[in-house]
Amino acid sequence: GENVEQHPSTLSVQEGDSAVIKCTYSDSASNYFPWYKQELGKGSQLIIDIRSNVGEKKDQRIAVTLNKTAKHFSLHITETQPEDSAVYFCAARADTNAGKSTFGDGTTLTVKP
Amino acid sequence: EAGVAQSPRYKIIEKRQSVAFWCNPISGHATLYWYQQILGQGPKLLIQFQNNGVVDDSQLPKDRFSAERLKGVDSTLKIQPAKLEDSAVYLCASSPRSGDYGYTFGSGTRLTVV
Repeated sequence: GENVEQHPSTLSVQEGDSAVIKCTYSDSASNYFPWYKQELGKGSQLIIDIRSNVGEKKDQRIAVTLNKTAKHFSLHITETQPEDSAVYFCAARADTNAGKSTFGDGTTLTVKP
Repeated sequence: EAGVAQSPRYKIIEKRQSVAFWCNPISGHATLYWYQQILGQGPKLLIQFQNNGVVDDSQLPKDRFSAERLKGVDSTLKIQPAKLEDSAVYLCASSPRSGDYGYTFGSGTRLTVV
C-alpha cells in the first residue's frame, strides 16, 4: 500500500520568514495530494491541493510543488504569521484506492512573533 | 454550509467498556470516512462508506470495532470492548464522492481509555 513520509516533524520560524514542509510517497499511482491544517480544538482544514497533471499551485501565501518523477511534494508558506502556527498534514491518494488518503505524520509549525 | 458534526468531543472510559461515536456529514456528501489519529501520528483510515455501503474496512479491527451508516447519512462508530491502545482522536470526514476531492473533517472525539 501507499506510504507517505513527512519532514520535518517540527519547524520553528520567525514571523515573516518562509516555511517549507516536504513529503514523499511510494505509490506511483497516487495522483491527488492535499494538505491539511489542524489547529487545537478544531477540525482539520483543507488548505491546498494539487493533482498529478500540475507541477505547482499557488494560493496567496501558500504554494505546493509536485515532482512526480521523484515522488515528492512540498508545501511552501511565505511571509509566515503567528496564526499559521498549527500541525500540517500531507496526504496522497490514488483513484484506484477509491478515495482513500494516506497521511503523513504531521509537522508542527511554530511561528514566533 | 454546516460542517461535519461529531459527538461527543471527549470521552473517558475504562478498559473493557464500550463506547460509541456519532458523525453527521455535510449534507449531500456521499462518502464518509472514519479515521483514528494517535498522538503524534497522522490519521489512519478505519472505514470508508459510499452512501450506506462499505467501500473499505480493511484496517478496521473487526473483533472490537464496528461502524454503520444507516440511510447513507449519519454514522456511528463503536468500540466494544475498549483497550488502552484505543486512546486516540477519532475523526470523521466527508467528501462529495470518492475521487480527487479533499475531505472536510469534523473536530473529532478524543477518547481516553484508562
